[in-house]
Amino acid sequence: GDSVTQMEGPVTLSEEAFLTINCTYTATGYPSLFWYVQYPGEGLQLLLKATKADDKGSNKGFEATYRKETTSFHLEKGSVQVSDSAVYFCALRGYTGGFKTIFGAGTRLFVKA
Amino acid sequence: KAGVTQTPRYLIKTRGQQVTLSCSPISGHRSVSWYQQTPGQGLQFLFEYFSETQRNKGNFPGRFSGRQFSNSRSEMNVSTLELGDSALYLCASSPTLGEDTGELFFGEGSRLTVL
Repeated sequence: GDSVTQMEGPVTLSEEAFLTINCTYTATGYPSLFWYVQYPGEGLQLLLKATKADDKGSNKGFEATYRKETTSFHLEKGSVQVSDSAVYFCALRGYTGGFKTIFGAGTRLFVKA
Repeated sequence: KAGVTQTPRYLIKTRGQQVTLSCSPISGHRSVSWYQQTPGQGLQFLFEYFSETQRNKGNFPGRFSGRQFSNSRSEMNVSTLELGDSALYLCASSPTLGEDTGELFFGEGSRLTVL
């Protein structure tokens, strides 16, 4: 079945450091790919998405490119802030016996001032 | 526009009891999904409803069930609670069933503790 694998955390960075969170997926067909973010005590919210190969999603300085050849959707940000501290989830939405969104395990990011 | 509303936000139950959680989607959204979030397993898909019909189901035992009403509000029920059912239960809504947008809008969750 479909699956998402993302790097384990926690990831601890200093403010203004470069961030990469790796995400790879396994899916049949052509799923849409997403990054969601969960701040403490809140539900998940969409950070960015890409719906087809070579699409680049971007939002709030974060970006990720849908790479079909490597089945990857790595999240990057050039300069993180303390306010970026949260849990980040990579996800795919495909059709396997019905539409379903599958999430990775999540990567917790701590940004130190 | 109001977001996804889940009730109750927190609840404590004992083993063997049952629980019902409620989710009101964003107005106009017809699809509702449920997820179980635990530190060890992450986000696990429970089921998705669209137009009162269950469209997909995850790998959970039959103790977990749900339904959707004609106004798109959804409930999920867990019977014969076990300690391992302690988790944050998240509801998400989306406008349609298809993957063309695919974005899910999440509520803040219902945190269930089973003693």
